[in-house]
Amino acid sequence: GESVGLHLPTLSVQEGDNSIINCAYSNSASDYFIWYKQESGKGPQFIIDIRSNMDKRQGQRVTVLLNKTVKHLSLQIAATQPGDSAVYFCAASEGYSSASKIIFGSGTRLSIRP
Amino acid sequence: NAGVTQTPKFQVLKTGQSMTLQCAQDMNHNSMYWYRQDPGMGLRLIYYSASEGTTDKGEVPNGYNVSRLNKREFSLRLESAAPSQTSVYFCASSGTSTQETQYFGPGTRLLVL
Repeated sequence: GESVGLHLPTLSVQEGDNSIINCAYSNSASDYFIWYKQESGKGPQFIIDIRSNMDKRQGQRVTVLLNKTVKHLSLQIAATQPGDSAVYFCAASEGYSSASKIIFGSGTRLSIRP
Repeated sequence: NAGVTQTPKFQVLKTGQSMTLQCAQDMNHNSMYWYRQDPGMGLRLIYYSASEGTTDKGEVPNGYNVSRLNKREFSLRLESAAPSQTSVYFCASSGTSTQETQYFGPGTRLLVL
């Protein structure tokens, strides 16, 4: 079946460094991708999204890169701060129909070293 | 503007008991979703409602039922709880489809003994 997976379950970075979280998806028909941040005890929070007609999109301190050839996307967080500590999920969906569903990866836990 | 709210926050059930998880959104969204989240796994879709009056099965619907009561509210019912349904349940909503930002509630932690 379809799957979305993150390369590393945990990632530890030094405060102030850049963080890169990677994700792979299996469905070549996926055309919409989202990154979510989930802090302990809370629901997932939208960070940034990208459609398949783009290969890069930037937000505030975050950049998402999409490589459709190898079915891979990454989330880059610049100048990582303690408040960035959380679990990060990527998700992929196919089609704009309201009947389409979204597949979530299992998450990467980002921890920040002072 | 509270976004997506869920009740209760935490619940303990015995095997075989029933309960309903409530979800409401105040963003005038058409689509609503129920997910479960288990340790080490991503969110898995249980049921979704593309619009008021419609519901569809997701990836893991067995043991659950849903009701889209109106545009604001989408409830999830466990008729006969099982230990395998111990999980954290999240409700979400989006404007029209899954290709719009989904906004999540704070979750309901359910323990079935």
